[in-house]
Amino acid sequence: DAGVIQSPRHEVTEMGQEVTLRCKPISGHDYLFWYRQTMMRGLELLIYFNNNVPIDDSGMPEDRFSAKMPNASFSTLKIQPSEPRDSAVYFCASSSTLYSYYEQYFGPGTRLTVT
Amino acid sequence: RKEVEQDPGPFNVPEGATVAFNCTYSNSASQSFFWYRQDCRKEPKLLMSVYSSGNEDGRFTAQLNRASQYISLLIRDSKLSDSATYLCVVNRVPRNTGKLIFGQGTTLQVKP
Repeated sequence: DAGVIQSPRHEVTEMGQEVTLRCKPISGHDYLFWYRQTMMRGLELLIYFNNNVPIDDSGMPEDRFSAKMPNASFSTLKIQPSEPRDSAVYFCASSSTLYSYYEQYFGPGTRLTVT
Repeated sequence: RKEVEQDPGPFNVPEGATVAFNCTYSNSASQSFFWYRQDCRKEPKLLMSVYSSGNEDGRFTAQLNRASQYISLLIRDSKLSDSATYLCVVNRVPRNTGKLIFGQGTTLQVKP
């Protein structure tokens, strides 16, 4: 079975540009999570969805960040405009209430560099 | 105070050694506990769940002490391939959701 798929794997952009990160969760999983990881702050939850509905976005740093999940197999995280302090690895993860919804499966991450 | 705290290490041990990591959590109502492993420049992966009675998976043993609010991971006969960062993970309360809180991680380096 395919795992969580993220694209792009690497993104280098200039400050002020719009960045869109994409995620395809594991088929059948009803939870989707977006995380950001930096050396300083570790792994931080940004937002998560249950059955395509955003449940908690309290971790989204500011209005420049937005996330959508238009259907069960696709989600995006958008940063507009991007800033150098947004440089981090962004992970998408999914899980299923049918099994153990705490067992989260992570994608390979998108390494974002904003210059 | 952080919700989940770990000693970042690094722990440098020789092959074959036994090493133990501890982790403390702040919310006594937390119900589910895990250890995740993260290799350098890779995604975190579930290593094992931590049950109240303690549990073992090969060379790995996880223990939970609810009274003291700490979780431990013991690795016996450590291998070079065990070198990684180990993340202590706790579910977010009070609502029972799929939301997890990750510790900063403990780095283990196993040397030949």
